[in-house]
Parts: sequence; C-alpha cells; structure tokens
Amino acid sequence: QKEVEQNSGPLSVPEGAIASLNCTYSDRGSQSFFWYRQYSGKSPELIMFIYSNGDKEDGRFTAQLNKASQYVSLLIRDSQPSDSATYLCAVNNMRDDKIIFGKGTRLHILP
Amino acid sequence: EAGVVQSPRYKIIEKKQPVAFWCNPISGHNTLYWYLQNLGQGPELLIRYENEEAVDDSQLPKDRFSAERLKGVDSTLKIQPAELGDSAVYLCASSSDRGFTGELFFGEGSRLTVL
Repeated sequence: QKEVEQNSGPLSVPEGAIASLNCTYSDRGSQSFFWYRQYSGKSPELIMFIYSNGDKEDGRFTAQLNKASQYVSLLIRDSQPSDSATYLCAVNNMRDDKIIFGKGTRLHILP
Repeated sequence: EAGVVQSPRYKIIEKKQPVAFWCNPISGHNTLYWYLQNLGQGPELLIRYENEEAVDDSQLPKDRFSAERLKGVDSTLKIQPAELGDSAVYLCASSSDRGFTGELFFGEGSRLTVL
C-alpha cells in the first residue's frame, strides 16, 4: 500500500461548480497535511495545510481532515479555469519528519 | 525576497555522462531538500539537509548519486554516470524549520533528459 494515495484523474468540473479532491494516507502517526498546486511545467506551491480534525477554510478553498479514517480532502468552491492544475496531497509525520507526496490529481475546469 | 534558485533549467546528456545540478535556497532557510519528479508522479525525496548535515538520504541511490551542501547554504546534486531512467525533473526545496509545520518552497526545477 502506497503511503499517500490520490486518484490521478483527470477530474473534470464545470466552471462555477465545487471541485472535490481526495487523499488517503497509511501512516496513523501522520501529523500534518498539505495541499500543493502544480501547474503544468511549473513547481508545486502550497495552497492549504491542516493539522486538526475538521474543516479549515481559506477563501474558495476548504481542507477537511479525518484522522480516524486517514482521509484528507480539498474542496474548491466556484471553480475557475485558472484552478486547472495538478493537486498534490502531502503528509508529514513526527516520527521521522518526512514529507511524503501523493502522485497528484489532475483537475480540469470546463469553461 | 528571492525564491529558491536552481540551475540549469534544462540539461540533455547522453547516458553514462555525468551531470550536476545546483540549488540556492531562500536566505535563512536551514532545511534543504532534493526531490525527483517523474511525469505524472508526485515528488519523491532524494535527500534532506539540516544546515550542512544530510539527515535523510535513505532514498538516494548512492552508487551513482551524490550530494553536498557546503557551508549549509548552496547545494549540488550530482549523477555519475547517468542512466536513461534518470530522465526526470529534479526539484530543490527549502524551508525555514524542520518541515514538520513549515511550507516547502520549491525552485523551478532542473529537467534532465538522458539519451
């Protein structure tokens, strides 16, 4: 079992709709969780991080964490064509302070 | 403030040739990472430095890969000899703490093509 799993997509969402991206992780010792956005040919950039169970909102983005289910998600409201990118889920644990990335989900916002 | 700077951006070499990548992290960032990213995959950690000490190099193929971070600032990643399977993007990142809570700042990457 891979440590961080994501559906590779592509996930196609109409403009203005909510995009929902999901990620599961295998290490129950994981403490912090990140969502990075990566445009084609560019490097990843952090858009959200979350440490506690529940929801965390930042503008159009909401990160959700459920440690019992080992599940983290990212919701993008009012999706825009500029949101079309690959979204990488990353997980860090305290034991070895290693940040593990999933393979990413390609999101395509349809105009 | 300048971001993470990497060079070269692109490199094309023939197999068995050596290649080196250079990274200058954000000023004051004591943690430096080298990641490898294949097409359609997420970044995979090769090595992590805390200042000049390599604290995690478990995923670095030491038979052909080497890295150094002299004086705890700039870093160089070397491959010798390169193989066809080494074609990928090599990403350098830095952070201001041990990475547990901190954001990783990535450079633009060095795209390697081995022919």
